[in-house]
Amino acid sequence: GQQVMQIPQYQHVQEGEDFTTYCNSSTTLSNIQWYKQRPGGHPVFLIQLVKSGEVKKQKRLTFQFGEAKKNSSLHITATQTTDVGTYFCAGPGTDKLIFGTGTRLQVFP
Amino acid sequence: DAGITQSPRHKVTETGTPVTLRCHQTENHRYMYWYRQDPGHGLRLIHYSYGVKDTDKGEVSDGYSVSRSKTEDFLLTLESATSSQTSVYFCAISGPSLSGGAPGELFFGEGSRLTVL
Repeated sequence: GQQVMQIPQYQHVQEGEDFTTYCNSSTTLSNIQWYKQRPGGHPVFLIQLVKSGEVKKQKRLTFQFGEAKKNSSLHITATQTTDVGTYFCAGPGTDKLIFGTGTRLQVFP
Repeated sequence: DAGITQSPRHKVTETGTPVTLRCHQTENHRYMYWYRQDPGHGLRLIHYSYGVKDTDKGEVSDGYSVSRSKTEDFLLTLESATSSQTSVYFCAISGPSLSGGAPGELFFGEGSRLTVL
């Protein structure tokens, strides 16, 4: 079945350093979504990418959708302690969303 | 925040007892989902619904059943709870995607923490 993998599983960074998480799908995706889950919280939608090669920015966050629409990345510039949490990518199946395994980000002040 | 509530938020039960978790939405969204979240496994889909009385299995459906008799409610039932079903359960809702396919953006409930002793 369809699989969505994310790397790395964990990332510890010093505040101010950059962070990137990568998402890879076993199948071509019509779109990809990204979510953030704070510790003890629930996942919250960040963005959806639809077009091949699409790049979108939200302040210090840059999202990219691969040319083949099978991979995506989330890059955070100059991390802050507020960026702590787990970041998930998700790809659509028929009437459902398949989540990646997530990347847990820890930021040390 | 989207109008989605889960109940109960916390429950401790014993092996072999039945458990029902409820998800209630006020958004009139067509799609509803039940995920479980465990350390190292991310979010795994249990069951989902694409309309009233229309449900289907996800990747980890064994030991779970669901019902959706009206748009706003999606029930998840563990007929005979086991310790392996100790987890945090999230309900989510969505409408259609902006790109035309489904699903669109998911809105999650606060989660239900279930402990099976």
